[in-house]
Amino acid sequence: DIQMTQSPSSLSASVGDRVTITCRASQSISKYLNWYQQKPGKAPKLLIYAASSLQSGVPSRFSGSGSGTDFTLTISSLQPDDVASYSCQQTFITPQTFGQGTKLDIK
Amino acid sequence: QVQLQESGPGLVKPSETLSLTCTVSGGSISSYYWSWVRQPPGRGLEWIGYIYYSGTTNYNPSLESRVTMSVDTSTNQFSLRLSSVTAADTAVYYCARPSRLATSAAPFDIWGQGTLVTVSS
Repeated sequence: DIQMTQSPSSLSASVGDRVTITCRASQSISKYLNWYQQKPGKAPKLLIYAASSLQSGVPSRFSGSGSGTDFTLTISSLQPDDVASYSCQQTFITPQTFGQGTKLDIK
Repeated sequence: QVQLQESGPGLVKPSETLSLTCTVSGGSISSYYWSWVRQPPGRGLEWIGYIYYSGTTNYNPSLESRVTMSVDTSTNQFSLRLSSVTAADTAVYYCARPSRLATSAAPFDIWGQGTLVTVSS
């Protein structure tokens, strides 16, 4: 299985801060990397697909980059509504695997 | 718009079989790979497997010996059965649909609300 490792596991930032979350794959996955946002008690919501494509309806402050094994999710200016957990997912090969998640809150 | 809804018992006894159904509304079950994903309390997401509308399946090897998925195109439903459950199978179970037809590699853009299944005697 491809292992997906996210860092950090949690972080606290101020409103307006630029926030970066990283995801590393245990082997190359090309650009088959997706990012999800999950709020407590809710299903995951797709933010970024194919490493850098913004899902329709997602605010432009969210962006993704990377290819191969190293990927990043960036929030350009943190908003109170962004408090959530963020998870990466590889769909390069089965079994599809997710990162362990990054919990983001407001300082 | 397409919506997914999980249904099934919220409590299952150890060693018994967990059974869940996902109902697809607002669209057809045809031409998509339908997945099940679970999330133990306080932990990350785990892909269980998928079933294509034609019945082709692909299961996570970590669960393959205990998982069976089925699809009923006449009722627009697909199902999950997980046998010999233990407390480690306690989780929120989601059904999910990828964003593109006929590919299992697309991201999940539609999810059910999730259903908590607790394994306990």
